[in-house]
Amino acid sequence: EADIYQTPRYLVIGTGKKITLECSQTMGHDKMYWYQQDPGMELHLIHYSYGVNSTEKGDLSSESTVSRIRTEHFPLTLESARPSHTSQYLCASSEWEPRQPLHFGNGTRLTVT
Amino acid sequence: AQKVTQAQTEISVVEKEDVTLDCVYETRDTTYYLFWYKQPPSGELVFLIRRNSFDEQNEISGRYSWNFQKSTSSFNFTITASQVVDSAVYFCALSDSTQGGSEKLVFGKGMKLTVNP
Repeated sequence: EADIYQTPRYLVIGTGKKITLECSQTMGHDKMYWYQQDPGMELHLIHYSYGVNSTEKGDLSSESTVSRIRTEHFPLTLESARPSHTSQYLCASSEWEPRQPLHFGNGTRLTVT
Repeated sequence: AQKVTQAQTEISVVEKEDVTLDCVYETRDTTYYLFWYKQPPSGELVFLIRRNSFDEQNEISGRYSWNFQKSTSSFNFTITASQVVDSAVYFCALSDSTQGGSEKLVFGKGMKLTVNP
């Protein structure tokens, strides 16, 4: 039974559309993350949050934005989708203590046509 | 700068073979943590092990074992008597304190293991 949920699982959308990828966790974790995984499998951190109202950009520049209004919810939004946004997006969370393992959702595979 | 290298991109073995996944890391910190994650075809990454830089003892968990050697900056993962269910992409990752206090996890590029019946 998953403790971190991502919806939708798959999304095919046209260029220019606004989309929001949902991520929720039921573990009460303060820290949450968004990773982008390219077809070559490599993972890149694009956003992270250490708690409510805290958001930071990751290592890979991304045109997406995130919000953290509730502890359990960390949605990612693309205002205007482009084919270059086609990728797998993985959400994760971890406990507050440093260097804790990440718990991942099963991802959203986004295709922008 | 911190870096994780998984030199093998893809490995294919026959069931019951032993297989070792290599991981070499770079960091200037003396305190750091190493991780292994498994990504089955279903997509989610599953945590396998965490090891801190002060604990060089090897670890065994069932058919899985990990060999941590600071002298060669390696944290290799061995699966003994592989099974089809072991087929997945495996990631090695490093977390140190070089990022201004934030703990960003740096992943290797992953290694796809296929175990054939």
